[in-house]
Amino acid sequence: AAGVIQSPRHLIKEKRETATLKCYPIPRHDTVYWYQQGPGQDPQFLISFYEKMQSDKGSIPDRFSAQQFSDYHSELNMSSLELGDSALYFCASSSALTSENTEAFFGQGTRLTVV
Amino acid sequence: AQKITQTQPGMFVQEKEAVTLDCTYDTSDQSYGLFWYKQPSSGEMIFLIYQGSYDEQNATEGRYSLNFQKARKSANLVISASQLGDSAMYFCAMREGLAGSARQLTFGSGTQLTVLP
Repeated sequence: AAGVIQSPRHLIKEKRETATLKCYPIPRHDTVYWYQQGPGQDPQFLISFYEKMQSDKGSIPDRFSAQQFSDYHSELNMSSLELGDSALYFCASSSALTSENTEAFFGQGTRLTVV
Repeated sequence: AQKITQTQPGMFVQEKEAVTLDCTYDTSDQSYGLFWYKQPSSGEMIFLIYQGSYDEQNATEGRYSLNFQKARKSANLVISASQLGDSAMYFCAMREGLAGSARQLTFGSGTQLTVLP
């Protein structure tokens, strides 16, 4: 079965550079969530989108922005990168039309290293 | 206040034995969902089991079962017949609100489980 696809899997950037992370949700899923997991930390919610509109916002820095496109894929744009942005970034997708445990589907994550 | 509390930073268990990982939660919502995830050293987040707040039966998935005690607000994960491959970080998480409400998950701090041969 198709899963959530994230690209790239690994990314190395220098301080003050920009980075773009991509997420392709499970087909027919209409909601995308982004999480950030620092080293030795639990995942922290950043932002979510439902039907291409921002749904919820968590602890996302102003330097970061995200959007969901017409094909439901999402991109997380990160500018003026700082060393503290080094983390594992997860995308998850769900369908608001079902009543099941829809938050179960995570991508494999993008490991961002800022040097 | 912490919404999800996992009080065991690390746990050890002998291979083939059962182990219980603790999780307590805090919410004023009547509708919520509780999840357990496994995160091996490779970093991926693997879904294990789910319990809805209205589910009367404890959830089970193969060797995983969830000991749901609603009055105590606890959702402990029980792994039976531990295997070496079970060594990983385990996260408890909660979604407040109804399923399908597009609400995000809140995670606990995790428990690092090590299975000893």
